[in-house]
Amino acid sequence: EAQVTQNPRYLITVTGKKLTVTCSQNMNHEYMSWYRQDPGLGLRQIYYSMNVEVTDKGDVPEGYKVSRKEKRNFPLILESPSPNQTSLYFCASSLDRGQYYGYTFGSGTRLTVV
Amino acid sequence: AQRVTQPEKLLSVFKGAPVELKCNYSYSGSPELFWYVQYSRQRLQLLLRHISRESIKGFTADLNKGETSFHLKKPFAQEEDSAMYYCALSGRGNAGNMLTFGGGTRLMVKP
Repeated sequence: EAQVTQNPRYLITVTGKKLTVTCSQNMNHEYMSWYRQDPGLGLRQIYYSMNVEVTDKGDVPEGYKVSRKEKRNFPLILESPSPNQTSLYFCASSLDRGQYYGYTFGSGTRLTVV
Repeated sequence: AQRVTQPEKLLSVFKGAPVELKCNYSYSGSPELFWYVQYSRQRLQLLLRHISRESIKGFTADLNKGETSFHLKKPFAQEEDSAMYYCALSGRGNAGNMLTFGGGTRLMVKP
């Protein structure tokens, strides 16, 4: 089944403890992206990537890092999480930067930083 | 800079009533616009895109460049249409695509 898989689905952590949220897609998509979803603010793009080793900042990149060493994986790294990073995170991928085929989204990761 | 605005956070209608979810955008180039839908406890999914001029689940959306709008419409709302709807714009950043979402509108269709 074609899909975007995120892990973990839920995560509670403490301030300052480094964490990684994994994202993997099995559709050979070139474009991948991370979003955070907050009440009243909708989805805001954190980082995106158009291919291996090519990444760029979205609207809210502060406090996050990403890497794209392989086409299928696009992990989101929080080096020193803070409570304002408590949010629902979505990974997405697309064949054509979403122009025609749109983005396929993962199920989401609910992160709580205490 | 690109921006998408959905002025209504919540829209409540009765079953069978017409629905219009508003979306306005700001973008200097030629926009590519989409509507995504998120049903309760499900992942976000693409509903329709302006480039294909399609009708999905009875919904249509027309790009109005003069008014910079891409409103989503359905003539007769159904209870199963209740969901969160996001308008999105695809632009071009330094490394390729940026997909910018509006704040979302929650549609509630009452029986």
